[in-house]
Amino acid sequence: GEQVEQLPSILRVQEGSSASINCTYENSASNYFPWYKQEPGENPKLIIDIRSNMERKQTQGLIVLLDKKAKRFSLHITDTQPGDSAMYFCAASNSGYNKLTFGKGTVLLVSP
Amino acid sequence: DPKIIQKPKYLVAVTGSEKILICEQYLGHNAMYWYRQSAKKPLEFMFSYSYQKLMDNQTASSRFQPQSSKKNHLDLQITALKPDDSATYFCASSQGQGGTEVFFGKGTRLTVV
Repeated sequence: GEQVEQLPSILRVQEGSSASINCTYENSASNYFPWYKQEPGENPKLIIDIRSNMERKQTQGLIVLLDKKAKRFSLHITDTQPGDSAMYFCAASNSGYNKLTFGKGTVLLVSP
Repeated sequence: DPKIIQKPKYLVAVTGSEKILICEQYLGHNAMYWYRQSAKKPLEFMFSYSYQKLMDNQTASSRFQPQSSKKNHLDLQITALKPDDSATYFCASSQGQGGTEVFFGKGTRLTVV
């Protein structure tokens, strides 16, 4: 199986600053690591993902880092805005059937 | 315009009853899934189907039975409902299997009283 730990559970930042969320996983066979954003009452939406053949990926103010040796991956949101306030989930997948194992989530609160 | 349609959006059921949660996807995907989200647990994988065949089942209870009548349908039948089954059930889909983006429907919020 797989277990994913996600920290912190709550993250408060000021608008314009950076926010970082960290996840660790157990199964070295995991090879796909997506990040989802979920707003209250809504479905989770993919914001960025990284595969095990990469160490870093960046898109539109989001950076994902993957350290396979440490079995750790992280999401960095640069220049946060109030609209970034939401729940963020990391996930890992190690099967051929896209079974995603999710972390417990991080509530990000961006204050003006 | 949602491409994964889940019905109903909200559902209240009596303990011991049986309900079916409906899911249809119009993304042309060949893999479909059910996930559950509750206050106690994060998003939790339940089932995966590929070309209407069960690929993975992580649900301990046989009270949960997926049903796929068509390639783009994956319903979830839940029998002998318990209050602990109260959760939001998300249907999801992807094109292909490992390492492809998984899209989630809007969910069915089930409350068992």
